[in-house]
Amino acid sequence: QVTLKESGPVLVKPTETLTLTCTVSGFSLSNARMGVSWIRQPPGKALEWLAHIFSNDEKSYSTSLKSRLTISKDTSKSQVVLTMTNMDPVDTATYYCARILGGFDPWGQGTLVTVSS
Amino acid sequence: SYELTQPPSVSVSPGQTARITCSGDALPKQYAYWYQQKPGQAPVLVIYKDSERPSGIPERFSGSSSGTTVTLTISGVQAEDEADYYCQSADSSGTYQDVVFGGGTKLTVL
Repeated sequence: QVTLKESGPVLVKPTETLTLTCTVSGFSLSNARMGVSWIRQPPGKALEWLAHIFSNDEKSYSTSLKSRLTISKDTSKSQVVLTMTNMDPVDTATYYCARILGGFDPWGQGTLVTVSS
Repeated sequence: SYELTQPPSVSVSPGQTARITCSGDALPKQYAYWYQQKPGQAPVLVIYKDSERPSGIPERFSGSSSGTTVTLTISGVQAEDEADYYCQSADSSGTYQDVVFGGGTKLTVL
């Protein structure tokens, strides 16, 4: 069974850096063409793609957030890590990770991150 | 920046057919994907590569493409289909580069 689970702080202060971890099971991050994406959703709003990373270490970032994002993976730990710098209240959202396999499938349960002083 | 446009809401009675559209200039060149999201839950992939249905998704869900518009069709809508639906694609520069989601459509089953 393929599962993904997000973990990280529930509350961060403005200007701080957010670090989120996605731990996967049921597949290996080293499998050919395997990828994981991060996607977020502000309360009551639409989904927004943030970044992805593939098994060959190919990475891509949202154009609008590229300067603030870094994605990396630790294959031995089955983890994908996303960092977002200079957090702002508008970054308050549920952050999801998802496997890339002919679409995003499946998704983790998501983790709500609130940005507030 | 590239955008995908969806109607904010669609309403149908049980047993009827619901059609949710998604428009974008790059859709003739890029596959579209559809996700169902129920309140408090993570999205679930219901259609991939315009018209393919993942295993476990009921046959009443189907997808089609015509020019710059893709359509998610739910035949014989059931109460459990009430949810938000999002289309997703990418701009024309390449696969999984600049992935974009539509604004979402709330399907109400009357």
